[in-house]
Formats: sequence, C-alpha cells, structure tokens
Amino acid sequence: DAGITQSPRHKVTETGTPVTLRCHQTENHRYMYWYRQDPGHGLRLIHYSYGVKDTDKGEVSDGYSVSRSKTEDFLLTLESATSSQTSVYFCAISEPGTGEDNEKLFFGSGTQLSVL
Amino acid sequence: SQQGEEDPQALSIQEGENATMNCSYKTSINNLQWYRQNSGRGLVHLILIRSNEREKHSGRLRVTLDTSKKSSSLLITASRAADTASYFCATEGGSYIPTFGRGTSLIVHP
Repeated sequence: DAGITQSPRHKVTETGTPVTLRCHQTENHRYMYWYRQDPGHGLRLIHYSYGVKDTDKGEVSDGYSVSRSKTEDFLLTLESATSSQTSVYFCAISEPGTGEDNEKLFFGSGTQLSVL
Repeated sequence: SQQGEEDPQALSIQEGENATMNCSYKTSINNLQWYRQNSGRGLVHLILIRSNEREKHSGRLRVTLDTSKKSSSLLITASRAADTASYFCATEGGSYIPTFGRGTSLIVHP
C-alpha cells in the first residue's frame, strides 16, 4: 500500500474514552487525509493536512481533531469516542502537481474502530 | 455531502461481459478519478481524467468525461471474476481535496 501504515488495524473501545489513530507515510507526500467509510455513505473526509502543522476540516470533522508535527505522521484523535464514530478509518496521501502520478490518492489499509 | 454519485449502486454480470458504471457530479471539476476497493482493503487508484480530456484508456479500462453533462463513465471490458469490487469516483475542484461518491458494487460471476 504505497508506503502508508495505519495503526492500529483494529480497535475496540468504550464510549467516552479518547482514541488516537496513526498514519505513517514513507513517500514524503505533502497532503495527508483522514476519511471514514460507512455503509451507504461511501468515503467522507474528516480532516486533511497540506503540510506540517497545516490542517483543515473536512465534511465530518465534529468530534475529531488532528495533528501533523512531522511530514510522515498524521494523527487522528477522537477526544471522547461515541458509538456514532464506529467506522472504518482510512488514511490517504497525495502530492499535488501536473505529472501522471500527481494528485491521485494512495490509501492505507484502514483501521476498524468499534465504540461500544 | 457527496459531490459524485455513482450509478448503478450494484451491478452483477457474467465473466467476459462488459461493465459500465456512471458518475454524476454537481460543480465544476479539475479532474475526476476512479478507484477500486476490494473487500476489506483500502482504495486503489485506477485512472485520472482531467477536465480538458474527453476519454482515457488504461488496459481494459475506458473512462469518458462529459463536462457539459457533468458526468463520467467507467467501462471495464471483458470482465473477470477478479474485477469483483466496489468502484468509486472522486471529483477534485482544484483544491487537491477529492470528494468521493458512495460507490458501485460490481460482482462478476465466473
């Protein structure tokens, strides 16, 4: 999966607990994204980053925060997990430009999160 | 809200047949991309078509883009059982933030 590692791969947690998901890339791509995937909704953007310490909200950012202190790492934090945040979370990376490989997203393998 | 919407939601065909999926979107785009997702895996990029292109080929894949109708189609020729997957279109309007549709689930029967 193009040098992208998501951890953990699976997590079960309880409502109200904090959870942090990690995305690590070895491609030195500038953009990193967090999406969640739910049945009937496809992929929805949570947050994205366009550089170190540069982040912005996506379509479904409520209840989530992110941090990017290094090019290679993008963390997604659920401050107080709720059952509605049970989902599969995907990290993706891309590098803007006009070349053939630019602008396409490379995805990690996903994290299955269950909030009980 | 989703920018692109795929149609049909589900498609079931026999091996050797062609599979056609459509994507409609609402606002102007910089490019449109198609991705495949096998069960339990991340998405894999298939093909990118820019707004000034009308057709693009990659192996058994053919993508068309009609910006006047705000629609795109993905054709997979001579389908194989291994093509069984979900297919997503993603539109990008110049901000490098692709927006995905809900996907088409394709089943190819051997």
